[in-house]
Amino acid sequence: QSVLTQPPSVSGAPGQRVTISCTGSNSNIGADYNVHWYRQVPGKAPKLFIYGNNNRPSGVPDRFSGSKSGTSASLAISGLQADDEADYYCQSYDSSLRGYVFGSGTKVTVL
Amino acid sequence: EVQLLESGGGLVQPGGSLRLSCAASGFTFSTSAMSWVRQAPGKGLEWVSIVATIGDPTYYADSVKGRFTISRDNSKNTLYLQMNSLRVEDTAMYYCARKYTGSYHFDHWGQGTLVTVSS
Repeated sequence: QSVLTQPPSVSGAPGQRVTISCTGSNSNIGADYNVHWYRQVPGKAPKLFIYGNNNRPSGVPDRFSGSKSGTSASLAISGLQADDEADYYCQSYDSSLRGYVFGSGTKVTVL
Repeated sequence: EVQLLESGGGLVQPGGSLRLSCAASGFTFSTSAMSWVRQAPGKGLEWVSIVATIGDPTYYADSVKGRFTISRDNSKNTLYLQMNSLRVEDTAMYYCARKYTGSYHFDHWGQGTLVTVSS
C-alpha cells in the first residue's frame, strides 16, 4: 500500500468546492518535506499540478490550491468543472525510505 | 519544449530481462536528475529509481533494489533502466520523469512504455 494516504474518490456538483486529503507521517510530510500534486487523465501520463505545497505551474487555474499542515496536506478545487474529472496524486520525499513516495490517488468525479 | 520519449517496453517472461530507454530533448539533460516511475494496471504511481546528473549516486525503491539498474548517457541525452529477474508484479507502465532541480518533485514526464511480465 502507498506511504501517503488519500481517499479513493471525491465528488461534487459543478460549481462546488471539493478537497482531497493526503496523510503522511513524521518521516515525510511531517519531516517538513514539501508536498506536490499530479493530475492524471485515464490513458495519459501524470502532469505536475501543484508543487511546493501551494504553487501552481503555468497554465493551472487558480481554482486549484494546495496546503500543508503537520503530517497532512490537501488539494482544494473550487468552482468544480466537468473537465476537472481526473485522478489526483500527492507526492513527497521520505527520509526513512530514502526515496520518493506517492499517495494512493483520488478520483474526482463531477456529478 | 521539454520532451521525454520512452522505449524498450514489451512482453517478457518471468525471470527475463529488459532495458528501457528515455530520450530527452528540449533542455540541458546533463544538469537534471532523472527518475523512473511506474504504474501497474489500474493502480497508483510508484517511484522506482533516480540517478543524479553525473550518473552517481543512484537510489532505488526496495521493490526493485538488486534487480534494476538505472544509468544515463549524457552524451546521448538518454536515460536507461536495466531490469533483470523480472517478476509478474513488475508489469506496469514505466514513465521517465525529470526531477526539478532544488526540489523533490518531477516537473516533466514522458508518455510511458508498457512492460508486461507473463508466461
